[in-house]
Amino acid sequence: KNEVEQSPQNLTAQEGEFITINCSYSVGISALHWLQQHPGGGIVSLFMLSSGKKKHGRLIATINIQEKHSSLHITASHPRDSAVYICAGLMYSGGGADGLTFGKGTHLIIQP
Amino acid sequence: ETGVTQSPTHLIKTRGQQVTLRCSSQSGHNTVSWYQQALGQGPQFIFQYYREEENGRGNFPPRFSGLQFPNYSSELNVNALELDDSALYLCASSRAPSGYTFGSGTRLTVV
Repeated sequence: KNEVEQSPQNLTAQEGEFITINCSYSVGISALHWLQQHPGGGIVSLFMLSSGKKKHGRLIATINIQEKHSSLHITASHPRDSAVYICAGLMYSGGGADGLTFGKGTHLIIQP
Repeated sequence: ETGVTQSPTHLIKTRGQQVTLRCSSQSGHNTVSWYQQALGQGPQFIFQYYREEENGRGNFPPRFSGLQFPNYSSELNVNALELDDSALYLCASSRAPSGYTFGSGTRLTVV
C-alpha cells in the first residue's frame, strides 16, 4: 500500500467548475507538497504545507494534520489547468533523508 | 534566480550499457535529490545528496550511484542498464526549510 494516496486518479470537468483533489497519507510527515506536471514531464511546485491553508491565485491547498489529509482546490477552472497534480510528503526519518514520497497523481482535464 | 537544468533531455541506451545524467542546482540550494518516474506512475525516490555526501537512499540497487560537486550540481550514474530502467529521471534541488525546485527531467529509453 502506497503511503500517499490520491483521489480521484482521473478527473474531467467543464471550464469554470470548482475542482477538488484529495490526498491522504499514512505516516507522519514534516511537510506536504502539491506539484503540477505537464505532458512534457517537468514538475512545478505549487505549494508546500505543514499546517493550515495556502492560496495562490485560483489555487487553494489545505491540510489537516490530525486526519492526515490534504486537498487541492481549483476555482473557476480553465483548460490551461489541465495537467497531472501530484501530492508528495516529506516523511519523518529516523536518520538520513527519505526524500519525497509521491502519490500516483490525478490526471485533470478541463474541457472548454 | 536560476532554475534546475537537467541534461540530456532524451537518451537512448542499450541494455548493459552505462549512463550518466546531470543536474544543476538552483542558486542558493545545497541539496539535490533524484527520482525515477515510470510511465503512468508517481516518481520514486532514488537518493539525495547534501554537501557532496549521500544522506538518504530509496529502494534502488547499488548500480544506481551519484555524485554531488562543490557547486551543488549532481550526477546520477546507472550501470548495467536494464529494460526496466526506462523512465523519466527527475532531479530536484532544495535548501531547508524551503521547498523543492524540479528540473524538466531526462527521458531514458533502454532498448
